[in-house]
Amino acid sequence: QLQLQESGPGLVKPSETLSLTCTVSVGSISDSNYFWGWIRQPPGKGLEWIGNIYYNDNTYYHPSLKSRVTISVDSSRKQLSLKLNSVTAADTAVYYCARGNYEFWSGYGMANWFEHWGQGTLVTVSS
Amino acid sequence: DIVMTQSPESLAVSLGERATINCKSSQSVLYSSTNKNYLAWYQQKPGQPPKLLIYWASTRESGVPDRFSGSGSGTNFTLTISSLRAEDVAVYYCHQFFSGLFTFGPGTKVDIK
Repeated sequence: QLQLQESGPGLVKPSETLSLTCTVSVGSISDSNYFWGWIRQPPGKGLEWIGNIYYNDNTYYHPSLKSRVTISVDSSRKQLSLKLNSVTAADTAVYYCARGNYEFWSGYGMANWFEHWGQGTLVTVSS
Repeated sequence: DIVMTQSPESLAVSLGERATINCKSSQSVLYSSTNKNYLAWYQQKPGQPPKLLIYWASTRESGVPDRFSGSGSGTNFTLTISSLRAEDVAVYYCHQFFSGLFTFGPGTKVDIK
């Protein structure tokens, strides 16, 4: 049974870098049948997509976060990472990692729905 | 970006009654080459991560009860819970993956009347 476990500091100071890791329990993180994503949820609010990374290390980021975010994969450790720099209080949220379904159609890769989610980790930005 | 809207923001339904949630996208999420709508629905209970219910707008994920159904095409979609049970109290989100830049709807909270 696939498990995704987010980890990292629960408190980050303003202007510093938020760094989170997601450890994948089963399977290869480089499997081209899947992609990996980060999604966040401010307290009491809705879901906000942060970005995705694909089997070929291509990434897509939310336009409003693109200048501050980096998503990467360490296949040997089966870990997905998120770095968000220059954080403010507005970045306070529960951060989820998720695995998504990826398919190939006429030679093109297409990222689909998120089928497995981690439990999430709360990150508070405060001095 | 494709903007997703949902209505209503919240609804209260009696046990055993039907709950209907609407989702609208700012542009079509129907991909003509595959004839599939690139839309999913998730259920999120308090303190839990979202759980996938429906993908391709109408395909139920394995293990999801058949009282949950999705319909619609293009820009207008509906999630229906045919006979509400107490364990269905949650917030429901639609999600478009037509664009490489994913977006979620704002969510609809379902409660018991």
